[in-house]
Amino acid sequence: AQTVTQSQPEMSVQEAETVTLSCTYDTSESDYYLFWYKQPPSRQMILVIRQEAYKQQNATENRFSVNFQKAAKSFSLKISDSQLGDAAMYFCASVTNTGTASKLTFGTGTRLQVTL
Amino acid sequence: KAGVTQTPRYLIKTRGQQVTLSCSPISGHRSVSWYQQTPGQGLQFLFEYFSETQRNKGNFPGRFSGRQFSNSRSEMNVSTLELGDSALYLCASSPLGGGYGYTFGSGTRLTVV
Repeated sequence: AQTVTQSQPEMSVQEAETVTLSCTYDTSESDYYLFWYKQPPSRQMILVIRQEAYKQQNATENRFSVNFQKAAKSFSLKISDSQLGDAAMYFCASVTNTGTASKLTFGTGTRLQVTL
Repeated sequence: KAGVTQTPRYLIKTRGQQVTLSCSPISGHRSVSWYQQTPGQGLQFLFEYFSETQRNKGNFPGRFSGRQFSNSRSEMNVSTLELGDSALYLCASSPLGGGYGYTFGSGTRLTVV
């Protein structure tokens, strides 16, 4: 079974500053993927970034990057140059790549506030 | 490219009734998953369908069921509604599931009164 833990229920960052959201996970599988999803008030879950567990290189998408520490089972999200539009719930999720059946396991989420 | 479409957006039902929610995945996506989101339990996996077959199921009672059609569109049904079924129901589609990633719809907000 997989578990995903987000220990920060809420975070706040000033516009243009950098913030890091934490996530730890646990899995017995060797082939898995990790994701960060953003859920604004519109409710739609939007994929922010994806990381393959077999890749040592940290994924980056524009202002969003991750710090993937496989041995520590840690997967944090860094948002640089924060913008007002970044305010949302952020969910960390994992999925095993069994090839025949898969499901996302989500953390409890971190609510990010962006202030002027 | 059209996204994942869920209908209806909002639904109010009475205890004991049944409800059917619909999800149209991205064209070409064969995997459709359903999740329940509540403030207390967070995001929980309901089930996944792939090529019209249920290939994974979460820990929900038998009142929750689903199906997938040949065009990959999916429906989920909840019978004998309970107050605790009030939630946001999210559908996600994927080309093949797993590491290919998932695209979510905007969800259906179900309120049971």
